[in-house]
Amino acid sequence: DAKTTQPNSMESNEEEPVHLPCNHSTISGTDYIHWYRQLPSQGPEYVIHGLTSNVNNRMASLAIAEDRKSSTLILHRATLRDAAVYYCILRETSGSRLTFGEGTQLTVNP
Amino acid sequence: DGGITQSPKYLFRKEGQNVTLSCEQNLNHDAMYWYRQDPGQGLRLIYYSQIVNDFQKGDIAEGYSVSREKKESFPLTVTSAQKNPTAFYLCASSLPSQPQHFGDGTRLSIL
Repeated sequence: DAKTTQPNSMESNEEEPVHLPCNHSTISGTDYIHWYRQLPSQGPEYVIHGLTSNVNNRMASLAIAEDRKSSTLILHRATLRDAAVYYCILRETSGSRLTFGEGTQLTVNP
Repeated sequence: DGGITQSPKYLFRKEGQNVTLSCEQNLNHDAMYWYRQDPGQGLRLIYYSQIVNDFQKGDIAEGYSVSREKKESFPLTVTSAQKNPTAFYLCASSLPSQPQHFGDGTRLSIL
């Protein structure tokens, strides 16, 4: 499976935007970019995914570089409830498996 | 409400005993998965099943066994052969090539 690289931790202030980066230089043309987040003592929660174009949903936006070697998850206004570990994962078009790295621990300050 | 139910939330086991973790889903998903998570680390895939009566080993299947007799159920047995079973176990399900939905996990500890 293609690997991703994320910072171990990031910090933000409440009600400010947060940009969480992910590098995936070995991405293949058929890999989707998925983001999940995990709150303490809970299972991961799907956030967003995309292939080539930028994507928006009610939780976040996903900006994908033109060469697809990196992407950024954008939380437009961070809240205390957004404090979690965020995982960037590559998934094959026809595949069902997810390979989790260690993710980015996001801390949101009041 | 549709979702994934894992039970129990906390489980204790004596050394040398097998223990079975339950995972049930009412989302009508074909695929189901079991992951293990150790403190401060990401999830690692133990077993997955894409259809009833079929399953495949993940990255860390040694010491574990599963069955998939019904679409709704995918129990995981942690056998005595698993040398370090203390961990947080997470079950998930999905439709083909769709995002995975996770349960709230079972925390297994050895007495």
